[in-house]
Amino acid sequence: AQRVTQPEKLLSVFKGAPVELKCNYSYSGSPELFWYVQYSRQRLQLLLRHISRESIKGFTADLNKGETSFHLKKPFAQEEDSAMYYCALMETSGSRLTFGEGTQLTVNP
Amino acid sequence: KAGVTQTPRYLIKTRGQQVTLSCSPISGHRSVSWYQQTPGQGLQFLFEYFSETQRNKGNFPGRFSGRQFSNSRSEMNVSTLELGDSALYLCASSLQGAPKEQYFGPGTRLTVT
Repeated sequence: AQRVTQPEKLLSVFKGAPVELKCNYSYSGSPELFWYVQYSRQRLQLLLRHISRESIKGFTADLNKGETSFHLKKPFAQEEDSAMYYCALMETSGSRLTFGEGTQLTVNP
Repeated sequence: KAGVTQTPRYLIKTRGQQVTLSCSPISGHRSVSWYQQTPGQGLQFLFEYFSETQRNKGNFPGRFSGRQFSNSRSEMNVSTLELGDSALYLCASSLQGAPKEQYFGPGTRLTVT
């Protein structure tokens, strides 16, 4: 069965500092991986998907199949990045998202 | 396009009662998935419907059921409510095909007393 692990429940950084939110997964096939973000009092929204290899709001994430990781990075954190971040995996042939426990990121001024 | 909508937004029920939640997907989206979000268990997949058929189901008891209508709108039903069913229930819609991006609604906050 697939599993997603986000080892940090809470992460606090200062504005302008680099930030990395860790995500590790276990899945026997070739998964599709996503990062979702939930800002305060807003709905869950897609931030990144690994197949697009794009940068959204300055965030990037690289799929490392050898380490089974999909860490989210941003070189210079902003206060508006404060939110809950979820890493999620979708099996290749399915439609079920398996979420990690989430990381609450706080960017301090 | 209008986003995913869910009704009602808040609901209070008593143990033993049943409840029906509704979800309207983004226009043109034919797949609807349901998730339960709780502080203890996080986000867990309930089931997914496509073209009025359940395609995938999570590990929830049979008290949790759903259906999808021809216009892609979906409902989920929970019978014989238990205190542990208190949660935020999220609906997500997506287009058929890859990438399987799911767009979430605001959720229905269910409180069971």
